[in-house]
Amino acid sequence: EIVLTQSPDFQSVTPKEKVTITCRASQSLSSLHWYQQKPGQSPRLLIKSASQSISGVPSRFSGSGSGTDFTLTINGLEAEDVATYYCHQSTTLPPTFGGGTKVEIK
Amino acid sequence: EVQLVQSGTALKKPGESLRISCSVSGYTFTSSWIHWVRQTPGKGLEWMGRIDPNDSYTSYGPSFQGHVAISADKSTSTAYLSWSSLKASDTAIYYCAMSTVTTAYDYWGQGTRVTVSS
Repeated sequence: EIVLTQSPDFQSVTPKEKVTITCRASQSLSSLHWYQQKPGQSPRLLIKSASQSISGVPSRFSGSGSGTDFTLTINGLEAEDVATYYCHQSTTLPPTFGGGTKVEIK
Repeated sequence: EVQLVQSGTALKKPGESLRISCSVSGYTFTSSWIHWVRQTPGKGLEWMGRIDPNDSYTSYGPSFQGHVAISADKSTSTAYLSWSSLKASDTAIYYCAMSTVTTAYDYWGQGTRVTVSS
């Protein structure tokens, strides 16, 4: 089973600040996706296949990376971005998720 | 509009059986995998398994194989997650999710909270 390690676990950020979340995999990946989960809601797909944008997702969200190291960037945090962010690999069965990064407004 | 609508909150006792559902609309049910994902405060998001509604072929995560069953009814575009004997450790929120063009989970249900307590 592929293990995904996210860092940091928690980030407190001032509005408009840039947020960077990393996801490191125990094996090389061909499929890595990012989700946002707001309190009391279901996860929502933000970025697919490491860097592909999703219709309806604000352009301040972007993804990059390959192999075992991936990054989710929020360029200019807004209050509505307070959430927990998860990476997810679907390269091999079973699919696995990172432990999550909770982002709060300072 | 694609929607995955799940059944409501369940409160059960250990040893009881349960089946929760996920009804799909706005998309061809037999064209994509339906996945079930468990969320707990301690273990986060865990993939439980998936089903191809076209032929009911299933795959399960190692932690869930033999403890749950995933099924689908093409006539009602509904997927199911079942337990024959619940444990307290099954207390969690359960999500169904659908992957369409890629293997990312494009759409999610609203979640079903299951509480197992004596």
